[in-house]
Amino acid sequence: EIVLTQSPGTLSLSPGEGGTLSCRASQSVSNNFLAWYQHKPGQAPRLLIYGASSRATGIPDSFSGSGSGTDFTLTISRLEPEDFAVYYCHQYVTSPWTFGQGTKVEIK
Amino acid sequence: QVQLVQSGSELKKPGASVKISCKASKYTFTRYAMNWVRQAPGQGLEWMGWINTNTGNPTYAQDFTGRFVFSLDTSVSTVYLQISSLKADDTAIYYCTRGADLRSGYTSGWYYWGQGTLVTVSS
Repeated sequence: EIVLTQSPGTLSLSPGEGGTLSCRASQSVSNNFLAWYQHKPGQAPRLLIYGASSRATGIPDSFSGSGSGTDFTLTISRLEPEDFAVYYCHQYVTSPWTFGQGTKVEIK
Repeated sequence: QVQLVQSGSELKKPGASVKISCKASKYTFTRYAMNWVRQAPGQGLEWMGWINTNTGNPTYAQDFTGRFVFSLDTSVSTVYLQISSLKADDTAIYYCTRGADLRSGYTSGWYYWGQGTLVTVSS
C-alpha cells in the first residue's frame, strides 16, 4: 500500500497570502497519478489537480500542482476566503487507492 | 451535467443494517467504475472499494471486507452500499464518486462525487 504523508498538518495563513502543501509517498507514484482535493464541511470533496499538475475543470490558476516520484506539492498563490478548507492528496496508480491524512488551511 | 445523487441521512441502532444508494445520471452508467469513500467524524477520507458497473464485480479495501457489500441496479443507474451488523464506529459520511473509464482503465482524478450520506449508529 502506498502511504501518503501530508505536511504540515495545519497551515495558518491570511487572505491574500500564498501557501505550499506537501505530500510525500512511501513509494514512487508512477505516471504521476496523484490528485489533490479540497474539502469543506458539509460538502463533497472537490477535485483541484490530477496527474500531479493538471488543473481540473473550473479550478482557478491560483492553484497549481507539481512534483513527481515520491514528492508532490500543491501551491495556492493567493488565498481567497473560500479557500480555507482541508486539502487531501490522493494516489490512484496502485490499489488500494489511498489518501493523505489532510492539511487544514485555516485563517490566521 | 453528470450527477451523483445519494440517499438521505440514516439513524440506526447497533446491530442493524443500512443500505444507501447513489443514483447516477447524464452519462453512460456502465462505462465508469464507482468508488465508495468514508469520512468518519474528525477523520480524513478513506477509500472503501469500488464496483465495476459493467460486470457488477466489487473490490473491497482491506478494512471493508465482511460487513460491507457493494451492489448495483443498472436499470436505474444506481449503486448501493449495504453495511450489516452496524457498530458505533460505522458512524460516518459515505460518498460515492465516479472512477475510472472501464474501457481504458484511465481516470483523470475523481471529479464527480455524490453529496454524501450521513449514517449515525447510536442506541
